Amino acid sequence: ETGVTQSPTHLIKTRGQQVTLRCSSQSGHNTVSWYQQALGQGPQFIFQYYREEENGRGNFPPRFSGLQFPNYSSELNVNALELDDSALYLCASSFRTHRGSGNTIYFGEGSWLTVV
Amino acid sequence: DQQVKQNSPSLSVQEGRISILNCDYTNSMFDYFLWYKKYPAEGPTFLISISSIKDKNEDGRFTVFLNKSAKHLSLHIVPSQPGDSAVYFCAASYGNKLVFGAGTILRVKS
Repeated sequence: ETGVTQSPTHLIKTRGQQVTLRCSSQSGHNTVSWYQQALGQGPQFIFQYYREEENGRGNFPPRFSGLQFPNYSSELNVNALELDDSALYLCASSFRTHRGSGNTIYFGEGSWLTVV
Repeated sequence: DQQVKQNSPSLSVQEGRISILNCDYTNSMFDYFLWYKKYPAEGPTFLISISSIKDKNEDGRFTVFLNKSAKHLSLHIVPSQPGDSAVYFCAASYGNKLVFGAGTILRVKS
């Protein structure tokens, strides 16, 4: 068990709706990243949060947004859901210093989102 | 733009033998390489990593080899066990993100 917890584990939404996914990072970790894994593919980087600010973003539209809270937990929000947003959403936590990230990155179990 | 490629979608190995999973990359700026194992309905589990300044890292049954000139890394599992059956993802670290390959399904037959 990695200590990274995500909720909800499964949910179904209708196209056009909005969704919020939550993540609690591993104790001692200050950085949270979000990934989208579509069926048959590897995880794709959405964005990373460090010290409550976005610290890098992948090739995802602005309707994907996030937050990081003072306790380092995080939310991923997706607005105007599309059918192609159906995927496993993974949260990953790590510890970052001013010199950069280490090589230990732990993932949660993921949140399965189905858009119908 | 696939910067990390796992060209074998699947691999089948007999229990007790060696499993070799391969990964190629194109971006010479990657500074760490990681292997993750994933069971259905679970998140990826970290297995082993290697810094770009090394060519080998070993942890129990798992060894990762890095050939920087060929931009190639491999994961060796010896001996393979039925519980190793899973999807294995190669990932490369650059800055603040991981770039993943598409994964290789490993089946270890008993």
